[in-house]
Amino acid sequence: GESVGLHLPTLSVQEGDNSIINCAYSNSASDYFIWYKQESGKGPQFIIDIRSNMDKRQGQRVTVLLNKTVKHLSLQIAATQPGDSAVYFCAEPRPGIFNKFYFGSGTKLNVKP
Amino acid sequence: KAGVTQTPRYLIKTRGQQVTLSCSPISGHRSVSWYQQTPGQGLQFLFEYFSETQRNKGNFPGRFSGRQFSNSRSEMNVSTLELGDSALYLCASSGGQANTEAFFGQGTRLTVV
Repeated sequence: GESVGLHLPTLSVQEGDNSIINCAYSNSASDYFIWYKQESGKGPQFIIDIRSNMDKRQGQRVTVLLNKTVKHLSLQIAATQPGDSAVYFCAEPRPGIFNKFYFGSGTKLNVKP
Repeated sequence: KAGVTQTPRYLIKTRGQQVTLSCSPISGHRSVSWYQQTPGQGLQFLFEYFSETQRNKGNFPGRFSGRQFSNSRSEMNVSTLELGDSALYLCASSGGQANTEAFFGQGTRLTVV
């Protein structure tokens, strides 16, 4: 039969523009979050993480923002490049359970040259 | 520093057979988690091992099992394969006891025919 895949939100941006990928999490007690990038045929690649005692963390061309009030996480990519095209996931562990991560369904980022 | 290594990369098995997948974590990492990734269900947690002990288990049938060796290498086994077991199986390696960065391997693509 026909397989039904997850409907991935898609974000299309022009090369050089900034991208913002959003993620809502469910558990207000979650204290650690990770953003991953997954290219076709590859495993998820760690991008950046943030702990709940921070609101913002910056990496190379990426910034993660955490809003605990509304349980929202965002990943900002500056000067988006074609190599940034991938599916992006946010992951949160279950409090009190080590290294058991729950992943969002992901956002597909398409970078147009 | 070598990353997470999963073998084999690709595997084709017949329904009813069993399969063993292998994961070598990053040197010094003691936690290994396994995930199943399918288009329909996304990334789902299978189990996690730390110092040869299974600490966490996801909602998968008993046909899915795993183990970890004293050198932190881990194997997962799936018995009596079903068509629905076709997926990308990913292994993630973490360093500490608490939630910290989890790094993924490239995965093993299992196809059951």
